This record gives sequence, C-alpha cells and structure tokens, in this order.
Amino acid sequence: DGGITQSPKYLFRKEGQNVTLSCEQNLNHDAMYWYRQDPGQGLRLIYYSQIVNDFQKGDIAEGYSVSREKKESFPLTVTSAQKNPTAFYLCASSGTGSATQYFGPGTRLTVL
Amino acid sequence: AQSVAQPEDQVNVAEGNPLTVKCTYSVSGNPYLFWYVQYPNRGLQFLLKYITGDNLVKGSYGFEAEFNKSQTSFHLKKPSALVSDSALYFCAVRDLDGSGNTGKLIFGQGTTLQVKP
Repeated sequence: DGGITQSPKYLFRKEGQNVTLSCEQNLNHDAMYWYRQDPGQGLRLIYYSQIVNDFQKGDIAEGYSVSREKKESFPLTVTSAQKNPTAFYLCASSGTGSATQYFGPGTRLTVL
Repeated sequence: AQSVAQPEDQVNVAEGNPLTVKCTYSVSGNPYLFWYVQYPNRGLQFLLKYITGDNLVKGSYGFEAEFNKSQTSFHLKKPSALVSDSALYFCAVRDLDGSGNTGKLIFGQGTTLQVKP
C-alpha cells in the first residue's frame, strides 16, 4: 500500500518542549516537504528537501528543524523557539522531474 | 515572483447545479497549475494539473479546469455538484527561481465549497 504516512495524528505539547513529527513515504520520491496550515492562511512551507542529506529553508523555518538521513523519511522537530506552534502540519513528497506533490494525512499539534 | 490568488473565500451552490471555483495566477514563463481538495482534518488530495496541451484539463471525481492564458486564470469546474464535494479547495502554481524549477508549489488561500441539498 503506497503512500505517505504521518504520525502521530494528534500531538499535545507543553510549552518549552521540543516535539518531533514523523513523515515516511514509500513512493520512492526524491523530494519531500513540510507545510504548516493555519485557519484562513492556506499552506506555508517550512522546509523542503530535494535529495538525501540536503534540505532548504522555506518561508517560515524559524523555530523548526529537519533531517533527511534516508530517502523515505523527513522528520520535523518543532522546537521551543517556535512561539506559536499550534497548527496542522502536512508532509508531502514529489518524484524526480514531477511538480505534483502528494500529501500525508497530517498531524495536528496543540500546545497546552 | 510567482503567485496565485483565489478571490472567493467561500462558494455556495445547490446540489445538481454547476460549480466554479476561481483561481488566477501570475508567473514568469509557462505555468504549471494544480488543484487540490482537502476534507476536514485530512491531507490535501491531488485533483488535476495543467502543464501543457489542451486548455481543458479533466481530473478526479468529475472535476475539470480551464486554463485561460489571456486572463491568467485556471478555474475549477464541475457540471453537477454533489453534497460530498463540500470541502476546501486549493489552487497552486509551481515556483521557479533564477536557477529554474525549485520543486516548490505556491498555494492560494483556499476556497470553501459548500454544496447544499
């Protein structure tokens, strides 16, 4: 069953804690992306990676970090430096030469 | 810089009537345009894309979109709306920088489609 998985579906964090969101794909896609979605603001790009061991900042990278040690995995860490982390986080991937991105089911992060 | 706009926050239509969700774009070069749909608390689902060729693009679930270069528009359409089409719809354009394709997409703000029985 091919696709993109994200875990957990819901995540609760206390202020000052770092949390890591998982994103895995078995589509053999080279590129992976992390977006943040807030009500009424559409999707904003946090980080993206076009190849293993390389990644670039998106439009709102401050307070976030990523790694890309394996082709199929692109975890996102929300650090305590992110002042307003409560949001819906979406991971996506795309194949080489294709601009079409395919999305995971998302993780809803709530800061208590 | 590339950009995309969805001028309507919400579109209301009666079931069985045709629907249109509007999207306009601004790009340098040839646009790659996309439509996605999102149901509550779900990820985005790819509906269709325009890269080149026929201006009328057919996609999933009976949706289609018309590329209009002169009006820089890429409106999403469906001849007969269903209540189950009620969702959030996003238009997107491929982002390009000085070196070419970044692989990134730029998304519009989204349009909520409400189909009433």
